This record gives sequence, structure tokens and C-alpha cells, in this order.
Amino acid sequence: DAKTTQPTSMDCAEGRAANLPCNHSTISGNEYVYWYRQIHSQGPQYIIHGLKNNETNEMASLIITEDRKSSTLILPHATLRDTAVYYCIVIGTGANNLFFGTGTRLTVIP
Amino acid sequence: GAGVSQTPSNKVTEKGKYVELRCDPISGHTALYWYRQSLGQGPEFLIYFQGTGAADDSGLPNDRFFAVRPEGSVSTLKIQRTERGDSAVYLCASSLNRASPLHFGNGTRLTVT
Repeated sequence: DAKTTQPTSMDCAEGRAANLPCNHSTISGNEYVYWYRQIHSQGPQYIIHGLKNNETNEMASLIITEDRKSSTLILPHATLRDTAVYYCIVIGTGANNLFFGTGTRLTVIP
Repeated sequence: GAGVSQTPSNKVTEKGKYVELRCDPISGHTALYWYRQSLGQGPEFLIYFQGTGAADDSGLPNDRFFAVRPEGSVSTLKIQRTERGDSAVYLCASSLNRASPLHFGNGTRLTVT
């Protein structure tokens, strides 16, 4: 079921930008890239999603390559509260089964 | 506003017992999902409801697991004859419709002794 590949873990200094990569080389034309994160002992939290164009909201930016085979989630100014597991998920419109995989464990260091 | 609420937050039961886990979705959300998360793993899909009906129950591991959503709002996940391997965090999520992002509760941690 794995449609995405993410590094197991990353560190980021507090206040710096955190750039989390995701490879999805088999993505189909109608599939979106979604990012969720899970802080310890909480349920996953939606961050952002996109199809082709780059997206930005109050939490993060999503950069999708032109061939759509990879993307990067950017947290512009990481804080200690951003320490979490980040999941990159590829899913088609209206599909109901999110495959989370094991994600990237981001640790923000003071 | 109120998010997805799951009760109880923790449940300890003995092997062979029956348990019910409750999920109160965000008001007005028509889609409801159950996931299960084992230690060190990402959440795994169990079942999806659109309104009152289970539109996709392909993730339920066996017939000991059953879920209902009789009035299209609150949902209950029921596990019969619990086994130690059922120990996990059971997560519920809801969304405005099937094309919208999911909002998760904080889960019920089930421990089968």
C-alpha cells in the first residue's frame, strides 16, 4: 500500500525552517498529496494538501515538483511544539482510506 | 469549537471480554472513520461511514470487530472476545464530506490483559 517514502527522522533547530521531503514517484494524475502530523499522545492533525500547485496556509507551505513525483513540507519557523511525526499521504479524490505509513519523526531542538 | 470526542480515553479489559468504544464526531460532519494505531506504527484504516451506513469496512481485521452509527452522528466500535493483540489506540475521525480533510480525536487506548 505504501505510495510514499519519507525519511525516518529529522532534526531542526528552533526558529529555523524545517523542510520535510516526501517521494511519491507512482502518484496518479487525480491523486492529492496530504500532510498530517501527530504530536505525542494526540490524534493526527491535518496540515495541508495540494494537487499540482504549491500551497500555503497558516501552518505550512507545500512545494510539489513539476513532475509531481516528490514534495516538500515547509514549516517556516519551527518551534518546540512542532516536534511530532509527520505523515505524507497520497490519495485520490473521494477515497476514504488514508495510508499513513510510519512518517518522519521531526525533533525541534532548542 | 468542539472537536472529535472519544470515550473512554483509556480502557483496560481482560482477554475474552467485550468492549465498546464511543466516538462523538464534529457536528454536521457526515463522514466518520475508525483507525487503529499500534505502538511505533502509523494509524491503520478500519471502517468508514457515510451517514448511517458503513460505506467501507474493508479494514476490519475479523468478525469480532463491528461498528455502528445508527443516527448518523455518534459511532460505537464494538470488539467481541478481545485478544491481547487487540491492544492499541483506536482513533476516530470525522470530515464534512468524503472529500474534506479528516479531524481526529485523541483516541481510546485499549489494553487487553
